[in-house]
Amino acid sequence: AQSVTQPDIHITVSEGASLELRCNYSYGATPYLFWYVQSPGQGLQLLLKYFSGDTLVQGIKGFEAEFKRSQSSFNLRKPSVHWSDAAEYFCAVGATGGYQKVTFGTGTKLQVIP
Amino acid sequence: KAGVTQTPRYLIKTRGQQVTLSCSPISGHRSVSWYQQTPGQGLQFLFEYFSETQRNKGNFPGRFSGRQFSNSRSEMNVSTLELGDSALYLCASSPGTGGRVEAFFGQGTRLTVV
Repeated sequence: AQSVTQPDIHITVSEGASLELRCNYSYGATPYLFWYVQSPGQGLQLLLKYFSGDTLVQGIKGFEAEFKRSQSSFNLRKPSVHWSDAAEYFCAVGATGGYQKVTFGTGTKLQVIP
Repeated sequence: KAGVTQTPRYLIKTRGQQVTLSCSPISGHRSVSWYQQTPGQGLQFLFEYFSETQRNKGNFPGRFSGRQFSNSRSEMNVSTLELGDSALYLCASSPGTGGRVEAFFGQGTRLTVV
């Protein structure tokens, strides 16, 4: 079965600084990979996804993520963080084939300071 | 297009009682998944229904059950509530099932057990 690890529980960055949120997965083949964001009191919203092809994927709100097979990683990045980016971010991995469910990481809470 | 609707938004129940949560998916979506979200545990997968059939089930006790109706609406039931069941319960709908589908989340039902 697949699994996903987000090693950082909390991250604090200054507004305007760059951001990188880490995500590592475990799966025997190339999985489907997702990043979701959850604002306070809200459900999760998809930021971006990777299925195949170009390993650098662009998402909404200026986010991007890079799939690195050799490191089993799918880190989320943003060059300049805005105060509105403060939220919790979840990495998720989906297995290929059949009725496979998507597995979510435990999340990284992002705090943005002025 | 209306999003995923979960009702009620907030619930307070007493230990030993039972509770039913409701989820109306996006029109045309046939898959509904349920998650339990608690601080530090991330999203714990409960179960997934697709075309009225349970396709996947997480590691939760039998007190947690669900069903899906022919119009794709889903309900989740928790019997004999325990204090540890206090959580945000999220419903997600998808057009299909499998590891590559994007999930669209509702805002959740906040359950407090006292």
